[in-house]
Amino acid sequence: KNQVEQSPQSLIILEGKNCTLQCNYTVSPFSNLRWYKQDTGRGPVSLTIMTFSENTKSNGRYTATLDADTKQSSLHITASQLSDSASYICVVSDLSYKLSFGAGTTVTVRA
Amino acid sequence: EAEVAQSPRYKITEKSQAVAFWCDPISGHATLYWYRQILGQGPELLVQFQDESVVDDSQLPKDRFSAERLKGVDSTLKIQPAELGDSAMYLCASSWTSNGPYEQFFGPGTRLTVL
Repeated sequence: KNQVEQSPQSLIILEGKNCTLQCNYTVSPFSNLRWYKQDTGRGPVSLTIMTFSENTKSNGRYTATLDADTKQSSLHITASQLSDSASYICVVSDLSYKLSFGAGTTVTVRA
Repeated sequence: EAEVAQSPRYKITEKSQAVAFWCDPISGHATLYWYRQILGQGPELLVQFQDESVVDDSQLPKDRFSAERLKGVDSTLKIQPAELGDSAMYLCASSWTSNGPYEQFFGPGTRLTVL
């Protein structure tokens, strides 16, 4: 069964600090990996999408990395802002474009 | 900017009652998805439509859940009768098509509380 595991489950950081979220997956055959941001009570919004050949992709202060060999990805948030408080979901697609969702990491940014 | 619309945003109902959720995808998107998201978990696919046809409803509890997309545009998800365990966020998403790595755009969701 295709699985996506995220860590940590939650974290608290001070405004202006950096943090890194982890995603490990067993999805095979792999097509692409996406990171979504989900604000409380809202639907997920796409941050980045990476295919097999891409190692890193940035979207403003968000930088995602992908190691397809070890089946690991990370999302780095630089200079965090209060508006970064949200759940971040790692989503992996197989070659039939069926998505497997992680449970998410809840990030709380405090002033 | 085009968005996926959902209504209602919140719904409170008693168990054994019927509830219905509505979704209007982004114009031109052929594929529509309904997901259920329990608090603290990732979304779980309930049903996927390609135009008006169901292409995946393997995780839909068909004894109480039904979904339709009659004209291949907007869609309705129904639960009858609702049970306490159905309390969750119901998300609708759409994409240009499912035959490719196209992004899924999510609506704001419907938060269902069953009492």
